[in-house]
Amino acid sequence: GQQLNQSPQSMFIQEGEDVSMNCTSSSIFNTWLWYKQDPGEGPVLLIALYKAGELTSNGRLTAQFGITRKDSFLNISASIPSDVGIYFCAGLSGRGKSTFGDGTTLTVKP
Amino acid sequence: GAVVSQHPSRVICKSGTSVKIECRSLDFQATTMFWYRQFPKQSLMLMATSNEGSKATYEQGVEKDKFLINHASLTLSTLTVTSAHPEDSSFYICSALPMRVTEVNEKLFFGSGTQLSVL
Repeated sequence: GQQLNQSPQSMFIQEGEDVSMNCTSSSIFNTWLWYKQDPGEGPVLLIALYKAGELTSNGRLTAQFGITRKDSFLNISASIPSDVGIYFCAGLSGRGKSTFGDGTTLTVKP
Repeated sequence: GAVVSQHPSRVICKSGTSVKIECRSLDFQATTMFWYRQFPKQSLMLMATSNEGSKATYEQGVEKDKFLINHASLTLSTLTVTSAHPEDSSFYICSALPMRVTEVNEKLFFGSGTQLSVL
């Protein structure tokens, strides 16, 4: 089946630093979605990307849909303590069929 | 924004009993919903696709008689874990695909998850 490689697996950063994580795949996806999950909760949608090359921002978050449609990155600028959590990328291949990355665990030190 | 309600959030049951988990789309209709299982510190693993008015589609290795899925309306899907055993203990999450979507606006909205503990 399809697989997504998400990196890094974990990050420990200082408050105020920028963060970058990415997902790559051997398969093409129609849609890339980025989610944040807090412990014991379901994933919350952060950004949705629909076109190759598309760059989209949501506050301090910026994500891009790779030009080859096989990769995507998420940047978080000026991190704050509440950014702590697990970030997942998901590739959709039609009618909601999703493949998830393994997640990036972000720790922000005040 | 689109809201998906999942209930219960936590359930503890005895081995051999059945547990039903509900997933509701509160402000949109969804012909398709998905059920996932998530182990601690791991990613979401798709278990099955729930289709309104038809049989669910199960991923390879998921027992359809063990995990019964019913999608009786455009806003409700249920997952019943039958004859639960300790190895079924996990975090179960649903997601819903809004009905009026195309490839240019496809999004998945997730419920808040159900932590199942089987004693």
